[in-house]
Amino acid sequence: GNSVTQMEGPVTLSEEAFLTINCTYTATGYPSLFWYVQYPGEGLQLLLKATKADDKGSNKGFEATYRKETTSFHLEKGSVQVSDSAVYFCALSDGGSQGNLIFGKGTKLSVKP
Amino acid sequence: DAMVIQNPRYQVTQFGKPVTLSCSQTLNHNVMYWYQQKSSQAPKLLFHYYDKDFNNEADTPDNFQSRRPNTSFCFLDIRSPGLGDAAMYLCATSREKARGETQYFGPGTRLLVL
Repeated sequence: GNSVTQMEGPVTLSEEAFLTINCTYTATGYPSLFWYVQYPGEGLQLLLKATKADDKGSNKGFEATYRKETTSFHLEKGSVQVSDSAVYFCALSDGGSQGNLIFGKGTKLSVKP
Repeated sequence: DAMVIQNPRYQVTQFGKPVTLSCSQTLNHNVMYWYQQKSSQAPKLLFHYYDKDFNNEADTPDNFQSRRPNTSFCFLDIRSPGLGDAAMYLCATSREKARGETQYFGPGTRLLVL
């Protein structure tokens, strides 16, 4: 079945450090891939997405590239800020799941000043 | 701004006392979803509506039900809440059911069961 595996947290970084959160997936079809962010006490917000191989999603300085050959969608940011502290969820959807999202377990990021 | 609204943000109920959570949307989306999210876990899909068609996930307990009286509103009913039902409940919408469609989430309702 379809699944998403993302790196365990928590991840603690200093402000302006480089961020990578790894995400790999297993899918029988040809999925779309998403990163959602959840700030404390809030719902999820779409951060970025990619719908086909080699697409790069980007938003607010975050980037992720859909790598079909490695079944990966790693999230990166060159210089994190304290305001980036949140939980980040990698997710996929494909035709087989009728568009339903399958989430990874989430990675909590804490950025220290 | 178009958005997904959930009320209340915090709900306290007693063990076994029915409770209803509400969600409304101004996006005019066809699909509305309900998720349960427990502490430090990923959201778990309970069910969704595509227009008026209800789709229940196989492992959603019978204790959870939903109503969608019109396009804009969707309700989550918990008939007899147990302590294990304490969680954040997230409503989401999407324009269609297809790969690549973005889901838009509300802020959630945090349910406490005493």
